[in-house]
Amino acid sequence: GEDVEQSLFLSVREGDSSVINCTYTDSSSTYLYWYKQEPGAGLQLLTYIFSNMDMKQDQRLTVLLNKKDKHLSLRIADTQTGDSAIYFCAESIGGNKLVFGAGTILRVKS
Amino acid sequence: DADVTQTPRNRITKTGKRIMLECSQTKGHDRMYWYRQDPGLGLRLIYYSFDVKDINKGEISDGYSVSRQAQAKFSLSLESAIPNQTALYFCATSDLASVGETQYFGPGTRLLVL
Repeated sequence: GEDVEQSLFLSVREGDSSVINCTYTDSSSTYLYWYKQEPGAGLQLLTYIFSNMDMKQDQRLTVLLNKKDKHLSLRIADTQTGDSAIYFCAESIGGNKLVFGAGTILRVKS
Repeated sequence: DADVTQTPRNRITKTGKRIMLECSQTKGHDRMYWYRQDPGLGLRLIYYSFDVKDINKGEISDGYSVSRQAQAKFSLSLESAIPNQTALYFCATSDLASVGETQYFGPGTRLLVL
């Protein structure tokens, strides 16, 4: 079945780069996503990447996709305290259905 | 105004009670979803609907039912609530025409079953 795995926790210092990793199992996924959840809030789409791309950059965010290894990463440059949140990786499995990872808690220390 | 709204935002109920969670959207999307979030488990799909006459079970539909009253409304019911249904529930919408087939989430309903 489909499965998405992420590390549970990452702690970085303000100003450093953060890299959150994710592995997925469905090689037919069309899109892969990163969502951010701040305390007490819903999920906010951060960025997505189409499966035929290797990299996507959007301001401080860089997404890398390795289809051969089914590995997705999110790099946040110059991490700020406001980036502290839970980050979810998700893959599409057809018909707009998403399978989510358990989420990575990012803690940014000032 | 928020595009996807959920009511109530918080609810405490007792075991055996029937409860309904409601979701409304103004995005004009055809597709709507209900997820539950549990710590350490991420989000799991309960039910989804691709249009008003379409209802599909997700990964964890047992103990839940849904109703798609209109394109803009999708409600989730717990017929007889049990404590392990205590969770954070999210509604989401999408459309094939959405860029990246993105799903847009509501703010969530926090449910506690005693």
